[in-house]
Amino acid sequence: DAGVIQSPRHEVTEMGQEVTLRCKPISGHDYLFWYRQTMMRGLELLIYFNNNVPIDDSGMPEDRFSAKMPNASFSTLKIQPSEPRDSAVYFCASSFRTAGEKLFFGSGTQLSVL
Amino acid sequence: GNSVTQMEGPVTLSEEAFLTINCTYTATGYPSLFWYVQYPGEGLQLLLKATKADDKGSNKGFEATYRKETTSFHLEKGSVQVSDSAVYFCALSGMDSNYQLIWGAGTKLIIKP
Repeated sequence: DAGVIQSPRHEVTEMGQEVTLRCKPISGHDYLFWYRQTMMRGLELLIYFNNNVPIDDSGMPEDRFSAKMPNASFSTLKIQPSEPRDSAVYFCASSFRTAGEKLFFGSGTQLSVL
Repeated sequence: GNSVTQMEGPVTLSEEAFLTINCTYTATGYPSLFWYVQYPGEGLQLLLKATKADDKGSNKGFEATYRKETTSFHLEKGSVQVSDSAVYFCALSGMDSNYQLIWGAGTKLIIKP
């Protein structure tokens, strides 16, 4: 299995631009999570899906952030417009059956907003 | 609510030293407890877990015992290697958090040759 695949690995953009991060979970996993990691705040859960349905988006910081999961093999996290304070590493993770089971993380997207 | 507290890092040790990274938690009932590890430039990966009191999780020479009486899940390794340098996260999953993982802040471990 290829694991959780995220793209791009690195994204550098200017303030005000739209940013789209992509994630392909492990086949058969029914939970998908988006996390943000920064030095200041550590690891933050942004949103998670179960069977492609958003369950909890209380961690999404603002309306500028949106996430979709159109099918079981693809999810996107979009930031529009982006701001310098959005600079972070964004991780996608997936798991089978429950979040209490083993989470598999992607390698992350390093986002820099100038 | 549920919470996890880890010792602050960075923790710097020499190769072959004994490692302890402290983790305590607050939760009602009987949460499951986890240690995840993040190597530089990578995502987190599960290192070990324990699902009930007195259980010992172990993997790659690391161990942690679920202590209900002290609400702790300290990570230990008898002899660390340079390749163990990473950030270690303690986490819990329980009924109060709808079985979502609650994460500690992470502890950076640096092993010097």
